[in-house]
Amino acid sequence: GESVGLHLPTLSVQEGDNSIINCAYSNSASDYFIWYKQESGKGPQFIIDIRSNMDKRQGQRVTVLLNKTVKHLSLQIAATQPGDSAVYFCAENTHSGGGADGLTFGKGTHLIIQP
Amino acid sequence: KAGVTQTPRYLIKTRGQQVTLSCSPISGHRSVSWYQQTPGQGLQFLFEYFSETQRNKGNFPGRFSGRQFSNSRSEMNVSTLELGDSALYLCASSSLQGTTGELFFGEGSRLTVL
Repeated sequence: GESVGLHLPTLSVQEGDNSIINCAYSNSASDYFIWYKQESGKGPQFIIDIRSNMDKRQGQRVTVLLNKTVKHLSLQIAATQPGDSAVYFCAENTHSGGGADGLTFGKGTHLIIQP
Repeated sequence: KAGVTQTPRYLIKTRGQQVTLSCSPISGHRSVSWYQQTPGQGLQFLFEYFSETQRNKGNFPGRFSGRQFSNSRSEMNVSTLELGDSALYLCASSSLQGTTGELFFGEGSRLTVL
Protein backbone atom coordinates (compact mmCIF):
# COMPACT_ATOMS: atom_id res chain seq x y z
CA GLY A 1 0.00 0.00 0.00
CA GLU A 2 0.92 3.65 0.03
CA SER A 3 2.47 3.43 3.45
CA VAL A 4 5.20 0.97 2.42
CA GLY A 5 8.53 2.71 2.52
CA LEU A 6 6.90 5.91 3.68
CA HIS A 7 8.94 7.41 6.47
CA LEU A 8 6.68 9.95 8.05
CA PRO A 9 7.08 11.43 11.44
CA THR A 10 4.23 10.20 13.54
CA LEU A 11 2.39 12.10 16.23
CA SER A 12 0.16 10.16 18.56
CA VAL A 13 -2.23 12.09 20.80
CA GLN A 14 -5.13 11.29 23.09
CA GLU A 15 -8.60 12.13 21.90
CA GLY A 16 -9.57 15.50 23.32
CA ASP A 17 -6.01 16.74 23.67
CA ASN A 18 -4.50 19.50 21.55
CA SER A 19 -2.13 18.57 18.73
CA ILE A 20 0.74 20.58 17.35
CA ILE A 21 2.26 19.63 14.03
CA ASN A 22 5.45 21.34 12.98
CA CYS A 23 6.99 22.08 9.63
CA ALA A 24 10.25 23.71 8.60
CA TYR A 25 10.47 25.36 5.22
CA SER A 26 13.58 26.16 3.29
CA ASN A 27 12.84 29.05 0.96
CA SER A 28 12.98 32.42 2.66
CA ALA A 29 11.26 33.91 -0.40
CA SER A 30 8.12 31.83 0.16
CA ASP A 31 5.20 34.12 0.82
CA TYR A 32 2.24 31.80 1.09
CA PHE A 33 1.80 28.70 3.21
CA ILE A 34 -0.92 26.12 3.39
CA TRP A 35 -1.76 23.12 5.52
CA TYR A 36 -3.42 20.11 3.94
CA LYS A 37 -4.94 17.00 5.45
CA GLN A 38 -4.90 13.73 3.57
CA GLU A 39 -6.98 10.80 4.72
CA SER A 40 -6.26 7.32 3.51
CA GLY A 41 -7.36 6.82 -0.08
CA LYS A 42 -8.25 10.45 -0.61
CA GLY A 43 -6.65 13.53 -2.06
CA PRO A 44 -5.29 16.32 0.14
CA GLN A 45 -7.90 18.59 1.65
CA PHE A 46 -7.25 22.28 2.37
CA ILE A 47 -7.26 23.15 6.07
CA ILE A 48 -5.95 26.67 6.44
CA ASP A 49 -3.53 29.07 4.81
CA ILE A 50 -1.45 32.04 5.86
CA ARG A 51 0.46 34.73 4.04
CA SER A 52 3.91 35.86 5.01
CA ASN A 53 2.66 39.23 6.23
CA MET A 54 0.89 37.45 9.10
CA ASP A 55 2.22 35.37 11.96
CA LYS A 56 -1.00 33.76 13.11
CA ARG A 57 -4.32 32.77 11.64
CA GLN A 58 -7.19 30.94 13.24
CA GLY A 59 -9.86 28.74 11.80
CA GLN A 60 -12.37 26.38 13.31
CA ARG A 61 -10.40 24.34 15.87
CA VAL A 62 -7.18 25.04 13.97
CA THR A 63 -4.52 27.71 14.28
CA VAL A 64 -1.52 28.21 12.03
CA LEU A 65 1.56 29.98 13.34
CA LEU A 66 4.29 31.30 11.10
CA ASN A 67 7.77 32.21 12.32
CA LYS A 68 9.65 33.68 9.39
CA THR A 69 12.79 34.26 11.41
CA VAL A 70 13.42 30.56 11.81
CA LYS A 71 11.34 29.49 8.80
CA HIS A 72 8.95 27.46 10.86
CA LEU A 73 5.27 26.75 10.45
CA SER A 74 3.00 24.96 12.88
CA LEU A 75 -0.56 23.71 12.89
CA GLN A 76 -2.42 23.49 16.15
CA ILE A 77 -5.56 21.39 16.36
CA ALA A 78 -7.69 21.92 19.43
CA ALA A 79 -9.63 19.12 21.12
CA THR A 80 -8.48 16.44 18.71
CA GLN A 81 -11.18 14.11 17.42
CA PRO A 82 -10.95 10.65 15.80
CA GLY A 83 -11.78 12.23 12.45
CA ASP A 84 -8.56 14.22 12.68
CA SER A 85 -6.51 11.07 12.06
CA ALA A 86 -4.71 11.68 8.78
CA VAL A 87 -1.43 12.74 7.25
CA TYR A 88 -0.87 16.47 7.47
CA PHE A 89 1.25 18.32 4.93
CA CYS A 90 2.55 21.84 4.96
CA ALA A 91 3.13 23.48 1.60
CA GLU A 92 4.85 26.67 0.55
CA ASN A 93 4.62 28.79 -2.55
CA THR A 94 6.91 31.40 -3.97
CA HIS A 95 5.72 34.01 -6.40
CA SER A 96 8.44 34.57 -8.92
CA GLY A 97 8.05 36.93 -11.82
CA GLY A 98 4.60 36.96 -13.32
CA GLY A 99 3.45 33.57 -12.15
CA ALA A 100 3.45 31.23 -9.25
CA ASP A 101 5.46 28.04 -9.20
CA GLY A 102 3.77 24.93 -7.97
CA LEU A 103 3.40 24.27 -4.33
CA THR A 104 6.34 22.64 -2.56
CA PHE A 105 5.04 20.11 -0.07
CA GLY A 106 6.69 18.87 3.09
CA LYS A 107 7.01 15.15 3.78
CA GLY A 108 4.00 15.03 6.02
CA THR A 109 3.18 14.03 9.59
CA HIS A 110 0.91 11.13 10.39
CA LEU A 111 -1.43 12.13 13.23
CA ILE A 112 -2.82 9.19 15.18
CA ILE A 113 -5.64 9.72 17.64
CA GLN A 114 -5.68 7.37 20.62
CA PRO A 115 -9.09 6.72 22.18
CA LYS B 1 -21.34 21.31 -6.62
CA ALA B 2 -19.32 18.33 -7.79
CA GLY B 3 -15.69 18.09 -6.75
CA VAL B 4 -12.62 17.36 -8.85
CA THR B 5 -13.07 14.11 -10.74
CA GLN B 6 -10.17 11.99 -11.86
CA THR B 7 -10.31 8.94 -14.09
CA PRO B 8 -9.34 6.20 -14.01
CA ARG B 9 -8.92 5.68 -10.27
CA TYR B 10 -6.63 2.69 -10.67
CA LEU B 11 -4.64 1.33 -13.56
CA ILE B 12 -1.82 -1.08 -14.22
CA LYS B 13 0.61 -0.68 -17.08
CA THR B 14 3.87 -2.29 -18.12
CA ARG B 15 7.20 -0.63 -18.77
CA GLY B 16 7.41 1.11 -22.09
CA GLN B 17 3.69 1.71 -22.40
CA GLN B 18 2.07 5.11 -22.23
CA VAL B 19 -0.82 6.30 -20.12
CA THR B 20 -3.33 9.15 -20.22
CA LEU B 21 -5.05 10.40 -17.08
CA SER B 22 -8.05 12.67 -17.05
CA CYS B 23 -9.18 15.40 -14.69
CA SER B 24 -12.44 17.32 -14.60
CA PRO B 25 -12.12 20.41 -12.39
CA ILE B 26 -14.80 21.97 -10.28
CA SER B 27 -17.27 23.84 -12.44
CA GLY B 28 -16.05 27.38 -13.01
CA HIS B 29 -12.44 26.63 -12.10
CA ARG B 30 -10.01 27.46 -14.86
CA SER B 31 -6.74 26.42 -13.24
CA VAL B 32 -5.72 22.78 -13.11
CA SER B 33 -2.52 21.53 -11.51
CA TRP B 34 -1.07 18.05 -11.49
CA TYR B 35 1.01 16.47 -8.74
CA GLN B 36 2.78 13.15 -8.37
CA GLN B 37 2.74 11.47 -4.93
CA THR B 38 5.14 8.68 -4.05
CA PRO B 39 6.29 7.27 -0.70
CA GLY B 40 9.87 8.32 -1.36
CA GLN B 41 9.47 11.78 -2.85
CA GLY B 42 6.14 12.83 -1.39
CA LEU B 43 4.00 15.29 -3.34
CA GLN B 44 5.76 16.87 -6.31
CA PHE B 45 4.43 19.49 -8.69
CA LEU B 46 4.18 18.42 -12.32
CA PHE B 47 2.51 21.31 -14.15
CA GLU B 48 -0.28 23.84 -14.07
CA TYR B 49 -2.69 24.88 -16.79
CA PHE B 50 -4.84 27.96 -16.99
CA SER B 51 -7.12 28.77 -19.89
CA GLU B 52 -5.59 26.00 -22.01
CA THR B 53 -2.03 27.28 -21.49
CA GLN B 54 0.67 25.63 -19.46
CA ARG B 55 1.74 28.30 -16.99
CA ASN B 56 4.23 26.45 -14.85
CA LYS B 57 6.13 23.20 -15.00
CA GLY B 58 7.92 21.20 -12.35
CA ASN B 59 11.17 19.32 -12.65
CA PHE B 60 10.00 16.23 -14.54
CA PRO B 61 11.31 14.76 -17.79
CA GLY B 62 9.66 15.43 -21.11
CA ARG B 63 7.91 12.05 -20.95
CA PHE B 64 5.38 13.82 -18.73
CA SER B 65 3.08 16.10 -20.65
CA GLY B 66 -0.36 17.55 -20.32
CA ARG B 67 -2.98 19.68 -21.90
CA GLN B 68 -6.13 21.55 -21.02
CA PHE B 69 -9.26 21.81 -23.10
CA SER B 70 -11.56 24.77 -23.60
CA ASN B 71 -13.95 23.38 -20.97
CA SER B 72 -11.04 23.37 -18.47
CA ARG B 73 -10.83 19.60 -18.38
CA SER B 74 -7.24 18.43 -18.37
CA GLU B 75 -5.31 15.35 -19.32
CA MET B 76 -1.81 14.30 -18.51
CA ASN B 77 0.20 11.77 -20.44
CA VAL B 78 3.23 9.75 -19.48
CA SER B 79 5.06 8.04 -22.31
CA THR B 80 7.59 5.21 -22.18
CA LEU B 81 6.60 4.28 -18.64
CA GLU B 82 9.26 3.35 -16.12
CA LEU B 83 8.89 1.43 -12.88
CA GLY B 84 9.56 4.64 -10.98
CA ASP B 85 6.48 6.25 -12.49
CA SER B 86 4.32 4.15 -10.19
CA ALA B 87 2.56 6.74 -8.07
CA LEU B 88 -0.65 8.44 -7.15
CA TYR B 89 -1.28 11.24 -9.63
CA LEU B 90 -3.34 14.04 -8.16
CA CYS B 91 -5.15 16.77 -9.97
CA ALA B 92 -6.15 20.01 -8.26
CA SER B 93 -8.32 22.83 -9.48
CA SER B 94 -8.56 26.43 -8.46
CA SER B 95 -10.51 29.46 -9.51
CA LEU B 96 -7.29 31.44 -9.58
CA GLN B 97 -4.24 31.19 -11.78
CA GLY B 98 -1.18 29.87 -10.03
CA THR B 99 -1.31 28.21 -6.68
CA THR B 100 -2.36 31.06 -4.47
CA GLY B 101 -5.65 30.32 -2.94
CA GLU B 102 -7.37 27.14 -2.12
CA LEU B 103 -6.61 24.14 -4.27
CA PHE B 104 -9.24 21.44 -4.45
CA PHE B 105 -7.74 18.02 -5.02
CA GLY B 106 -9.31 15.00 -6.61
CA GLU B 107 -8.88 11.53 -5.16
CA GLY B 108 -6.15 10.69 -7.62
CA SER B 109 -5.31 8.08 -10.20
CA ARG B 110 -3.14 5.31 -8.83
CA LEU B 111 -0.77 4.07 -11.50
CA THR B 112 1.18 0.85 -11.08
CA VAL B 113 3.91 0.11 -13.60
CA LEU B 114 5.04 -3.51 -13.80
